[in-house]
Amino acid sequence: NAGVTQTPKFRVLKTGQSMTLLCAQDMNHEYMYWYRQDPGMGLRLIHYSVGEGTTAKGEVPDGYNVSRLKKQNFLLGLESAAPSQTSVYFCASSYPGQGYNYGYTFGSGTRLTVV
Amino acid sequence: GDSVTQMEGPVTLSEEAFLTINCTYTATGYPSLFWYVQYPGEGLQLLLKATKADDKGSNKGFEATYRKETTSFHLEKGSVQVSDSAVYFCALSDSRVGANNLFFGTGTRLTVIP
Repeated sequence: NAGVTQTPKFRVLKTGQSMTLLCAQDMNHEYMYWYRQDPGMGLRLIHYSVGEGTTAKGEVPDGYNVSRLKKQNFLLGLESAAPSQTSVYFCASSYPGQGYNYGYTFGSGTRLTVV
Repeated sequence: GDSVTQMEGPVTLSEEAFLTINCTYTATGYPSLFWYVQYPGEGLQLLLKATKADDKGSNKGFEATYRKETTSFHLEKGSVQVSDSAVYFCALSDSRVGANNLFFGTGTRLTVIP
């Protein structure tokens, strides 16, 4: 059981470049989430999805786009990377209602540096 | 809105010392409360949870009790080990908000020295 898999694990981008982070889950979860983790700020929700073809904004959505074309995949895109987007990005997933009772399953993270 | 306030670190303890990491929350509904642990270079793992007032979550020697009257969910362990060195996050989920979104505290880094 792979759980939640994130690719890549590390990436260095130049300011203005674009990239896509991939999150894949094999647990048939309906809900998927993208968080960013910054020192002293904990985890903040960027975007989330409650099912295939749906997405919604979280707390810090600016500068990011997402897509959920397949139930098992949730993509996070940076169209024009900025140094402020240097962070560790975590993907998570859950069943409907599971988050309230059981929390989420997290991936191992992508460390992104924008120079 | 919903929020979690967590004891700032870092915390350094000697092996076998008693651990407390404070966590208080603000929520308009009846949230579930969680502690997650992040070991170096890894993602977050659920450590324990409590879904209603007075519930006690426990796992791997860690405990936390959901106190509605003080809006708190403090993490405790009686005797820490070097292997407990990690970052600990308190979180809440309010079923009325979005897709059961989790709100996290800022994290507390624990270092246990031999």
